[in-house]
Formats: sequence, structure tokens, C-alpha cells
Amino acid sequence: SQQGEEDPQALSIQEGENATMNCSYKTSINNLQWYRQNSGRGLVHLILIRSNEREKHSGRLRVTLDTSKKSSSLLITASRAADTASYFCATDDGQGAQKLVFGQGTRLTINP
Amino acid sequence: KAGVTQTPRYLIKTRGQQVTLSCSPISGHRSVSWYQQTPGQGLQFLFEYFSETQRNKGNFPGRFSGRQFSNSRSEMNVSTLELGDSALYLCASSLEASGRYGTQYFGPGTRLLVL
Repeated sequence: SQQGEEDPQALSIQEGENATMNCSYKTSINNLQWYRQNSGRGLVHLILIRSNEREKHSGRLRVTLDTSKKSSSLLITASRAADTASYFCATDDGQGAQKLVFGQGTRLTINP
Repeated sequence: KAGVTQTPRYLIKTRGQQVTLSCSPISGHRSVSWYQQTPGQGLQFLFEYFSETQRNKGNFPGRFSGRQFSNSRSEMNVSTLELGDSALYLCASSLEASGRYGTQYFGPGTRLLVL
């Protein structure tokens, strides 16, 4: 079963604009991770945020985590055509198991 | 360091056959996890191995099995293939022993088509 639910399912924006994707989850977690996947290839790890962190930055990426609302957001600033991909949030099971529970993903398209 | 590698990259099988997929983790990583990705069900956890022991298992039938060798390389096996087993199978490795702070690094996947 899916723990994380991404919103929106699909997002299309112009190059240079910012893209925001949201993720909600159901149970308590130790950390939340965001991954990118290009055209059915492997997943590329973007960023990990721990449950005691509220915000994290990595280059053009900004991730927030609100454990009270069980939600996270991924912001990509100044988008580029190369950012076109599917983005997934993944949580652990809250019990320390090395097991990721993924959402269905957001399909992001950057138009030139 | 070399990333996670998976072989083969593509595979075509027929119903009833069995298949073995291989995964080599990043050097030094002892945890290897397997995931199945389909358009309908998305990414689903299959199982995780650490130090040659299966530590966690997802909700998949017994036809799906795996093992890990002393060098941390892992294989997964699917017996009596069904059409619904067609999927992208992803392997991930992690340095941490637990999922508490564990970033998992994924391989490129093996795309299995069952005819």
C-alpha cells in the first residue's frame, strides 16, 4: 500500500518558473526522501530530511517537512528542461526498517 | 565509487518460466533492497537483505525470493512467471544498518517483460 501521496499527479510549467510538489503520508516517520526518475530508469536520490528537521536546501531544491500535518513539499526553483522527470517522495516505515514506502509520484514537464 | 549495478538490463520471458536478477551494491554497502515498479501499483517494496539475512519482506507471494552473498551482492528470483510480473525491478543499497537515516541508492533497474 502507498504511504505517500503526491500532489499534483502531473505538473507542466515553463522553463525558468518554480515547481512545487507536495507529499502527504500516513504514519510517523524517521525521515522522508525525495527521488527523481527519468523515463522509467533508476531513481536518483535528491534529498533526505529527518523528522526533527523542518527545512532543507540542496542547490535549486528546497524541501520542507511538517510532521504535525504529515506532509512535505519539494520546491525546484528556476526550472530547466533537464528537470523534466517524475518525482517521488518516500518514507521509512517509522520503525527503523530499511524499507521505503513510495507515493505515486508527480510527473513534471518543463516546457522550453 | 561505482554506483549500484543491475544485470541484465532487459529480459523477456514467457509465462511459467523463472528468472534471476542480479544486483551489485555500492562498495561498502551491506544493505540491499529490491523494489518492483509497475504503472498500476507504483513502487513497491519486495525485500531487504543485510549481512546475508533477509530482514524485511513486502507483501509479495512466495514466488518472489532473494538472497545475498558474503560480498553483499544480491539476487532475486521469480518462479512461475505471470503476466503481471512484467515490471521494472529496482535494487537499492544503503550504508546504514537501519532505515532511520538511510539514504538508499538505486540501480538502473531490470525491465522484465513476461509474454
